[in-house]
Amino acid sequence: GNSVTQMEGPVTLSEEAFLTINCTYTATGYPSLFWYVQYPGEGLQLLLKATKADDKGSNKGFEATYRKETTSFHLEKGSVQVSDSAVYFCALSDNAGNMLTFGGGTRLMVKP
Amino acid sequence: NAGVTQTPKFQVLKTGQSMTLQCAQDMNHNSMYWYRQDPGMGLRLIYYSASEGTTDKGEVPNGYNVSRLNKREFSLRLESAAPSQTSVYFCASSAAGGLNTGELFFGEGSRLTVL
Repeated sequence: GNSVTQMEGPVTLSEEAFLTINCTYTATGYPSLFWYVQYPGEGLQLLLKATKADDKGSNKGFEATYRKETTSFHLEKGSVQVSDSAVYFCALSDNAGNMLTFGGGTRLMVKP
Repeated sequence: NAGVTQTPKFQVLKTGQSMTLQCAQDMNHNSMYWYRQDPGMGLRLIYYSASEGTTDKGEVPNGYNVSRLNKREFSLRLESAAPSQTSVYFCASSAAGGLNTGELFFGEGSRLTVL
């Protein structure tokens, strides 16, 4: 079945540092890939997505590129802020688009 | 702009007790979902309802039942709670067209503790 593997956290960075959170996946067919973010005390919300190979999703300074050859969808941001502190989840859709499979989540802590 | 609303937000149960988590969405979405979130394991799908009148099992359905009461409401029932069901539960919804292009909208979560 489908699965998503993320780097374990927490990831602790200073403000304005470069961020990479690794995500690799196993899936049949051609899934869509997503990054969701969960701020403290809230539900998850979509951060960005990519629906086919080589697509780049971007939002709020975050980017991720759908790499089919390496089955990866790494999240990057050039300069993190304290307000980016949250838990980040990588996810993929099944072929029918009926459900998402999530990774274990990576907690990011940004210090001023 | 309520979005997805879950009740209750917190609940403590004793082993063997039953309870129902309620979820309602006001976005006219066709599909609704129940996930549980456990430390280090991300979110795991319990049940989903692709449309009104249908429900399907997800990854971890054992010990749970669901009811899609109408297009707006999707409830999750624990008939005989066990400590292994201590978790944070999230309800989510999505519009028609599938998740390949759409997105999930989540409620704020319900924290359940089973003693």
